[in-house]
Formats: sequence, structure tokens, C-alpha cells
Amino acid sequence: SQQGEEDPQALSIQEGENATMNCSYKTSINNLQWYRQNSGRGLVHLILIRSNEREKHSGRLRVTLDTSKKSSSLLITASRAADTASYFCATAYSGGYNKLIFGAGTRLAVHP
Amino acid sequence: GAVVSQHPSWVICKSGTSVKIECRSLDFQATTMFWYRQFPKQSLMLMATSNEGSKATYEQGVEKDKFLINHASLTLSTLTVTSAHPEDSSFYICSAIQGGSNQPQHFGDGTRLSIL
Repeated sequence: SQQGEEDPQALSIQEGENATMNCSYKTSINNLQWYRQNSGRGLVHLILIRSNEREKHSGRLRVTLDTSKKSSSLLITASRAADTASYFCATAYSGGYNKLIFGAGTRLAVHP
Repeated sequence: GAVVSQHPSWVICKSGTSVKIECRSLDFQATTMFWYRQFPKQSLMLMATSNEGSKATYEQGVEKDKFLINHASLTLSTLTVTSAHPEDSSFYICSAIQGGSNQPQHFGDGTRLSIL
């Protein structure tokens, strides 16, 4: 069964606005990863945050991890129409040998 | 770097046909490859984990005789959907990892399988 839950399921914003997506999980993890998927394509890795890290940045992306609450968030600042995609969190759980359990995903639509 | 190539990207075939999907790591050696299935507007479901030179490990509920996985080299894994039926129609995605802990998976572009 899927370990991660994400909210919102869908998000519609205007260009220039910030987009925040949240992810929760159930068990101990080695790391949590965020991926992006354009319609009908494979996944692109965005950020990996280890269990002993609390925040990571990459360009316009900011990821936080709260292991006490078993939750993570992805913030996309100054969104662009090209950011329109589905975003998935995935957890590499302890003892899972690099297997990932994916959340349900958030479908982001950024309107010009 | 870390490019994964998946072929074919689209397959349409008749019921009862067996279909082979290839997943190649182009610029790195993949100690482990993963195969996922994705239904429309849903998340990825892990089907199996494939390690070079050993038998694949299948997730609960995935029929190993239906979905044959071969990982003969550090750069190639194949998934064969045997005697495919319409209910096997789906989007299949592979990924590869270079090894070690705390490494991201690198994904192919997926294969859209449609069984008539």
C-alpha cells in the first residue's frame, strides 16, 4: 500500500504565486524525495532530503522535513506556467533497500 | 548525467501477445532497477525490484509469471508482459539507481501499453 499521502490533490494558481504541497508518511525513513511528472512522461528527480536534515533548497524549490510529524512540504516560489505538472513525494523507508513508496501526488496547474 | 532510456514508448497489440519493455542506464551502472505501474491520474505502484544477476523481488500481488523481469547486465533490465490482456493496459515506468544509500532513482520516460 502507498505510504505517503499528499495534499492538496490538485492546486491551481496564477504565475508568480507560490505553490505549497504537503506530504505525510507512516514509518521511519532514510530519506524523502520529491519528483515531478509531466503528463505521459517519466519522473524527474527534484530534491532528496535525508532524515537528519530539516530543510533543503534548489533554485526556486524549498523542501522541509519534520520527522517528528512524519511530514514534508515542497514550496515552489514565483511559479511559472512551465511548472505545471504532477508532483510526488516518495519515501525511502528504513530497511527498504532503496525502494520508494510514492504518495498520491499533487496536480499543479499554473495559469499565465 | 544519469540518463535512463526506456523502449518502446508506446505499444498497441492484440490480446494474448507477449510484450517486452527494455530499460537501459546509458551513462552509469545500475546496481538496482525498479519497475512501476501507473494508472491514469494515479501514483506509481512498485511492481518489482531487479538486481543484476539475481532474481527479481516482486511486490505482493504482482504475478511473477505474468511479469517476467530479467536483469542480465548492469545497464539493462527487461520486463516482459506475458500473454497480455486488456486489464494489463497501463503505463509502465522503470527506474535505476547507482547504488549506495540516499541516492535518487533515475526514471525512464515510460511505456504506454494498450492491449486490444
